[in-house]
Amino acid sequence: AQSVAQPEDQVNVAEGNPLTVKCTYSVSGNPYLFWYVQYPNRGLQFLLKYITGDNLVKGSYGFEAEFNKSQTSFHLKKPSALVSDSALYFCAVRGYTNKLIFGTGTLLAVQP
Amino acid sequence: SAVISQKPSRDICQRGTSLTIQCQVDSQVTMMFWYRQQPGQSLTLIATANQGSEATYESGFVIDKFPISRPNLTFSTLTVSNMSPEDSSIYLCSVEPDMNTEAFFGQGTRLTVV
Repeated sequence: AQSVAQPEDQVNVAEGNPLTVKCTYSVSGNPYLFWYVQYPNRGLQFLLKYITGDNLVKGSYGFEAEFNKSQTSFHLKKPSALVSDSALYFCAVRGYTNKLIFGTGTLLAVQP
Repeated sequence: SAVISQKPSRDICQRGTSLTIQCQVDSQVTMMFWYRQQPGQSLTLIATANQGSEATYESGFVIDKFPISRPNLTFSTLTVSNMSPEDSSIYLCSVEPDMNTEAFFGQGTRLTVV
């Protein structure tokens, strides 16, 4: 079965510090991995994806993520957090069923 | 990319009534998806809507409760029928132009049933 785990309900970080939002997955075959962000009263916005190729992928707003096959992880990172990065972040995986499976979400709170 | 217009953006409805949510895409897509996001929860797929055929529903969702129309390749509706407070959620439509691209989402419909 396909699944995605986001072990942290909330991540707190000070502005200017690096941030990491964790994601691990379980899927048969090669995974397609995605990160989305949701601001209050908004739909989901795409940040970045891993389909194939380089394990380090760069996305919107300075975010990046590293695909680690041996650890089945796809953690989201940013070198320097902004207050405006505060939002709900979802990791998602698409496997052999071709359906997107979403993690439970991680609320990122960046303090000024 | 795809731009999705979803409406209404929010509504407050009386229990027992029905609400139809519309989703318009700026390009033709084969499949459209409807998700539910309950308060404080992740997204759960309700059904996949293909043009010209009946929607395919996920476990726990039935056509009588969530009828879906897909009259053409750019439009779909989801109806939440005979609503109860438990139906209070955000409903989102989504498209995936192909397997290697990301999904695009409408801005969501925040439904409150009183």
